Amino acid sequence: AQSVAQPEDQVNVAEGNPLTVKCTYSVSGNPYLFWYVQYPNRGLQFLLKYITGDNLVKGSYGFEAEFNKSQTSFHLKKPSALVSDSALYFCAVRDLFTGGGNKLTFGTGTQLKVEL
Amino acid sequence: DAGVIQSPRHEVTEMGQEVTLRCKPISGHDYLFWYRQTMMRGLELLIYFNNNVPIDDSGMPEDRFSAKMPNASFSTLKIQPSEPRDSAVYFCASSGPRTSGGGLTDTQYFGPGTRLTVL
Repeated sequence: AQSVAQPEDQVNVAEGNPLTVKCTYSVSGNPYLFWYVQYPNRGLQFLLKYITGDNLVKGSYGFEAEFNKSQTSFHLKKPSALVSDSALYFCAVRDLFTGGGNKLTFGTGTQLKVEL
Repeated sequence: DAGVIQSPRHEVTEMGQEVTLRCKPISGHDYLFWYRQTMMRGLELLIYFNNNVPIDDSGMPEDRFSAKMPNASFSTLKIQPSEPRDSAVYFCASSGPRTSGGGLTDTQYFGPGTRLTVL
């Protein structure tokens, strides 16, 4: 079965500093990986995805993620954090073995807190 | 496009009552997903449909839960009878369609959710 792990329940960072939210994956075959963000009392919003190609994927709101096959990781990064980036972040992997559908398996989420 | 639409946004009911949650997916999408989110269990996939047909309902917690998709623009999730442990935020998401090259458009777009409280 395919899965993702987010080892940190919470990440704290000062505004203006770089941020990293970690994700590792376990898949059979080529991974299709995603990052979503959830602001309070809102649904999840798509940030970016890796299917193939360049290992550095750029997404919305200045976020990017680096795919590392040898470390089976897909960490989310941003060079300079904003207070408004404070939210819950989910990593997800597409499951290819349940009827070939678009099912995603989500991680447990990491709460990002950006402080002044 | 208005995005995925869910109703109601908030629902408060008493134990034993029937609850119906509604979802309108993004026009043209052929996959629809129902999720439940709680502090204890995080985000759980309950069921998903492809072209209005249920594909995987292994996440439906028990027979009290049922979901239907009578057409491409509407789906319901019903709980009967409801229990306090069903209190959660329920999300609907949609994705698709296949690209002209046959590949899948797999990004899921989520609705705002329905916050259900069962007293």
